[in-house]
Amino acid sequence: GEDVEQSLFLSVREGDSSVINCTYTDSSSTYLYWYKQEPGAGLQLLTYIFSNMDMKQDQRLTVLLNKKDKHLSLRIADTQTGDSAIYFCAESYWDDKIIFGKGTRLHILP
Amino acid sequence: NAGVTQTPKFQVLKTGQSMTLQCAQDMNHEYMSWYRQDPGMGLRLIHYSVGAGITDQGEVPNGYNVSRSTTEDFPLRLLSAAPSQTSVYFCASSYSIPAGYQNTGELFFGEGSRLTVL
Repeated sequence: GEDVEQSLFLSVREGDSSVINCTYTDSSSTYLYWYKQEPGAGLQLLTYIFSNMDMKQDQRLTVLLNKKDKHLSLRIADTQTGDSAIYFCAESYWDDKIIFGKGTRLHILP
Repeated sequence: NAGVTQTPKFQVLKTGQSMTLQCAQDMNHEYMSWYRQDPGMGLRLIHYSVGAGITDQGEVPNGYNVSRSTTEDFPLRLLSAAPSQTSVYFCASSYSIPAGYQNTGELFFGEGSRLTVL
């Protein structure tokens, strides 16, 4: 069935790179997404990648997609305190659903 | 442009009571959906709609009803609230789903409705 898996917690020192990983099950998805949720707020789209791409870079963000292993990652360069949030991986399915992972809480160490 | 508006933001119910969570969007989006967020469970899809008059079940539909009589509104009804329905509920809309070459399928979220069932 449809499933998106990601680790629940990640701690990173300020200034280092953060890498958040996600695995998914459905190889027929069209888009894969990373959403960010700040405390007390709804989710906002951070970035996305079309399924025929391997990599997408957007300023401090790099998304890598390995279709063979069904693995998606988000790298945040030069992590800042403002990056502290929950990051959700999500997949767009052919049957009109968008399914989210459980979310990775990113904690920034001084 | 208000985006996605959810009401109420907070609600406390007793077991067995009914209520409706309201969701409205002013972006002329065809697709609307409801998710619930629980600690350690992430976001789970309850119901969704690809257009007025069309609704379908998501991952966890039991105990919830929806209707889509207009493009703008997508209310979520709890017919007989249970403690297991204590959660934060998010409404989200998109121009069109499924995503395709012309449309990324980005979801726009409301600020959430925190529901406690005693």
